[in-house]
Amino acid sequence: QSALTQPPSASGSPGQSVTISCTGTSSDVGRYNYVSWYQQHPGKAPKLIIYYVSERPSGVPDRFSGSKSGNTASLTVSGLQAEDEADYYCISYADGTQVALGGGTKVTVL
Amino acid sequence: EVHLVESGGGLVQPGGSLRLSCAASGFTFSDYWMTWVRQAPGKGLEWVANIHKDGSIEEYAYSVKGRFTISRDNSRNSLYLQMNSLRVEDAAVYYCVANGGWYKLAYWGQGTLVTVSS
Repeated sequence: QSALTQPPSASGSPGQSVTISCTGTSSDVGRYNYVSWYQQHPGKAPKLIIYYVSERPSGVPDRFSGSKSGNTASLTVSGLQAEDEADYYCISYADGTQVALGGGTKVTVL
Repeated sequence: EVHLVESGGGLVQPGGSLRLSCAASGFTFSDYWMTWVRQAPGKGLEWVANIHKDGSIEEYAYSVKGRFTISRDNSRNSLYLQMNSLRVEDAAVYYCVANGGWYKLAYWGQGTLVTVSS
């Protein structure tokens, strides 16, 4: 499986916005609109928060949004809240290996 | 409410075997591809295997191909992972995941811990 590049950490104060990047290649993020994002709190299972680049499952606050430009997908968390402090992972469908995963980004709410 | 409950994890010696199970409820199991994802302690997510809705297609990560076998029983709403020739690097929490297509990993179990150590 291929690897997508995420920054190891990001932070923001309550009420601010934070954006996490997920950089792949023309064989994964750049080719397919099948990027998803997951939130994982310590000791918990990951939770789907964005799929197909920018779609939100029911129940996920609209503070979470996704986008893509070229080979880079992005997750933006607006109006940061204390409960948004978590690890975030991106996943993309990919040629060949069929899936590419990011290494995760730890978001800290200051 | 959707539930995915994994079982079968535990401590095994290198070279040993384990069979993980996952019981699904609260959604139409046969409508979903199913996926196993693992996470080593303190590490990121790693895709392990997929199985088609009807069990006709299996896909594996290179790291487990030939050693692990994914299967399902739609009559029992259950997913399985047979793990043979286990290595120290297979130690992880294994998650059972309902895959809504194109890696929309919609529903996750709570995970089961596999420890490989002598």
